[in-house]
Amino acid sequence: GENVEQHPSTLSVQEGDSAVIKCTYSDSASNYFPWYKQELGKGPQLIIDIRSNVGEKKDQRIAVTLNKTAKHFSLHITETQPEDSAVYFCAAGAWRKESGGSYIPTFGRGTSLIVHP
Amino acid sequence: DGGITQSPKYLFRKEGQNVTLSCEQNLNHDAMYWYRQDPGQGLRLIYYSQIVNDFQKGDIAEGYSVSREKKESFPLTVTSAQKNPTAFYLCASSQGPTYGYTFGSGTRLTVV
Repeated sequence: GENVEQHPSTLSVQEGDSAVIKCTYSDSASNYFPWYKQELGKGPQLIIDIRSNVGEKKDQRIAVTLNKTAKHFSLHITETQPEDSAVYFCAAGAWRKESGGSYIPTFGRGTSLIVHP
Repeated sequence: DGGITQSPKYLFRKEGQNVTLSCEQNLNHDAMYWYRQDPGQGLRLIYYSQIVNDFQKGDIAEGYSVSREKKESFPLTVTSAQKNPTAFYLCASSQGPTYGYTFGSGTRLTVV
């Protein structure tokens, strides 16, 4: 099955700095890579995703890059703000016809991002 | 507004008791999922359902049961067979393969 490694587990930055979180995956069949943000006491929220036919995607201060050859993808947050402080999860997975057409992603263990004012 | 609702937010259970966590969505999503979240362990899949009246075991299904009698509802029962049930439980739904999840706000279950 898929194995997803996420680093670092904790990231502390000053407001205005950039933050980068990296994930590696093992299954070359994985074709969908979402990122979630989880604030304290809440459920995760999808913030950006990328599919395997794209190398980079950007949405305002957030960007995700994908290197299929090396099997890694990264989340980049620029001009960080205190409200960016949260736990971020990456996920990777592939649509599997043999599972009745299911997509079951494997999640990384999360990165706690702390943005200091 | 469309969304996914979990209730209750906090739940306390005595050892040896079964307890049911509610999950309702009005997003018209076919697929629904239950995850367990423990500190430092990420999200682990308990059960999932792709369609009404059908569901599949995830990675940690032992001690849990589910039903999917309606498209909107996917309740999770934590049975007395679950050895370490204290955790944060998350329900999610998805409109299909290679679409992201919409998560509920979670239920924190504590065994006392």
